[in-house]
Amino acid sequence: DAGVTQSPTHLIKTRGQQVTLRCSPKSGHDTVSWYQQALGQGPQFIFQYYEEEERQRGNFPDRFSGHQFPNYSSELNVNALLLGDSALYLCASSFGYQNSNQPQHFGDGTRLSIL
Amino acid sequence: ILNVEQSPQSLHVQEGDSTNFTCSFPSSNFYALHWYRWETAKSPEALFVMTLNGDEKKKGRISATLNTKEGYSYLYIKGSQPEDSATYLCAFRDYGQNFVFGPGTRLSVLP
Repeated sequence: DAGVTQSPTHLIKTRGQQVTLRCSPKSGHDTVSWYQQALGQGPQFIFQYYEEEERQRGNFPDRFSGHQFPNYSSELNVNALLLGDSALYLCASSFGYQNSNQPQHFGDGTRLSIL
Repeated sequence: ILNVEQSPQSLHVQEGDSTNFTCSFPSSNFYALHWYRWETAKSPEALFVMTLNGDEKKKGRISATLNTKEGYSYLYIKGSQPEDSATYLCAFRDYGQNFVFGPGTRLSVLP
């Protein structure tokens, strides 16, 4: 039973470029959330997808967008990259959008470095 | 802006010591409180999801308590082992489905 998988593991980009990160949820999960974790901080919530729609969004600019596919996998897109976007990006999956008593299962993350 | 705080920021204990740390969160609009353990080079692992005031959860040597009226949760580790070394994160969820993590407590258990 595969857990949450993210790709790529590491990525190096330059300012102004665009990046796409990918996530496959744990088998049986239908809700995907994305987080940004900067050094020394806890994960910051970016957005959550359920039934192919963005259901909840954190305090991130429109440069951050996403998508969920019919197989529940998800992408995070970041446009016009800034140095401050350098961080670990975590994907988490769970079952059921409103069922907040379920723990989230996390992937290993994608380490994004902006030069 | 929801604020979730954790203390201490880091902690060093000897093997066999018992330890505890705190998560503070807004006392209004509470829905659930999650605890996660995050070991280096691994993904965060769920420990507990707590929903009721006075809740106590236990998993092996680790336990947690919850006070929603005053807005805090304690995580206890009894007889710490080197494999307990990790960052422990709490996350607060409110009725608006906001999900906010604290900055974490980094625990190092020295053999």
